[in-house]
Amino acid sequence: ETGVTQSPTHLIKTRGQQVTLRCSSQSGHNTVSWYQQALGQGPQFIFQYYREEENGRGNFPPRFSGLQFPNYSSELNVNALELDDSALYLCASSLESGWTEAFFGQGTRLTVV
Amino acid sequence: QQQVKQSPQSLIVQKGGISIINCAYENTAFDYFPWYQQFPGKGPALLIAIRPDVSEKKEGRFTISFNKSAKQFSLHIMDSQPGDSATYFCAATSPSGSRLTFGEGTQLTVNP
Repeated sequence: ETGVTQSPTHLIKTRGQQVTLRCSSQSGHNTVSWYQQALGQGPQFIFQYYREEENGRGNFPPRFSGLQFPNYSSELNVNALELDDSALYLCASSLESGWTEAFFGQGTRLTVV
Repeated sequence: QQQVKQSPQSLIVQKGGISIINCAYENTAFDYFPWYQQFPGKGPALLIAIRPDVSEKKEGRFTISFNKSAKQFSLHIMDSQPGDSATYFCAATSPSGSRLTFGEGTQLTVNP
């Protein structure tokens, strides 16, 4: 186990709704990254938070937003859900922003119907 | 666009055989190349990683070979075991370390 925990593990939402996913980083890690993994594909980088500030963003629309809290846990929020948002959402924590070794949680499986 | 291309998409080997997965990248700024192993219903787990200042790194049955001039790297799994059956992803990141760029994945099946 990596010490990175995500909740919930599974979620079903209706198109147009909003969703919040949560991640607790590994102890001592101040950097959290979020990835979207569609079925049968590699994870795609959404964004990274370092010390409560966004520190890099992938090619995702503004309806994907995030937060990082003083304890370095993080949230991913997705508004106006679309069917294509159905995926496994992964959170990864690392010791520092420039630290390359990232540890992933088990993911949240989101299904949009 | 930064990309990492991975092949094959799927691979079947017999127990005790060698599994070989290949990746190629485009961005010469990449300087860290990890391989991740993912089991169904789990997040990716770091397996082994290499930096471009070495051509090979070995950890147990797992070896990364790196060819900087060709911008290619590969994972070799020696003495493959049924427990190695999983999806393997190569990845790359730049010095800022802010994002991992993943390959498309290889589903490895090791038959007993």
